[in-house]
Amino acid sequence: NAGVTQTPKFQVLKTGQSMTLQCAQDMNHNSMYWYRQDPGMGLRLIYYSASEGTTDKGEVPNGYNVSRLNKREFSLRLESAAPSQTSVYFCASSEGGGENIQYFGAGTRLSVL
Amino acid sequence: RKEVEQDPGPFNVPEGATVAFNCTYSNSASQSFFWYRQDCRKEPKLLMSVYSSGNEDGRFTAQLNRASQYISLLIRDSKLSDSATYLCVVNENNNDMRFGAGTRLTVKP
Repeated sequence: NAGVTQTPKFQVLKTGQSMTLQCAQDMNHNSMYWYRQDPGMGLRLIYYSASEGTTDKGEVPNGYNVSRLNKREFSLRLESAAPSQTSVYFCASSEGGGENIQYFGAGTRLSVL
Repeated sequence: RKEVEQDPGPFNVPEGATVAFNCTYSNSASQSFFWYRQDCRKEPKLLMSVYSSGNEDGRFTAQLNRASQYISLLIRDSKLSDSATYLCVVNENNNDMRFGAGTRLTVKP
């Protein structure tokens, strides 16, 4: 049972390069999320999608774009990577509403040089 | 002020010890509360939800005090496998989850 799958697991970019982080879930969840995790800080929400066809900004959206391709997939794009975007990125999904328990992918470790 | 604050630790305890973690949150309208566990270089995983009446899951007990905006996690009879970072998580509205920075626990033989 795969749950939430993220690709790639690791990536090194040069400043100014672009890339897309992919996320897919097989739990038929309505809501999907992208977070970043930096040392000494809690996970911070970048963008979320409450349902297929909708996306909304989270706490730290600047420098990122997202696409909810279908119910299963939610991608995060860095158009012009900056060293400040060096982080670990986690995708999560949930049924939404109520308790909103979230299930996380294994993460993508991104370094921007 | 951070929305969710935790003592970062580290807490270093011997096997069999009882250890307690605390967490405070700033938004009094927060709706639901959780403890997640995160192992080194892994993703967070749900440990347990936290209910107003307090709840227990084996050796783990969680408590919520809405008046004081305070959440706690008690681990009894610590095992080596309990070594991890424990994240306090507060759901401010349906899609706005706020995470504490985590409390690191090391259980030693």
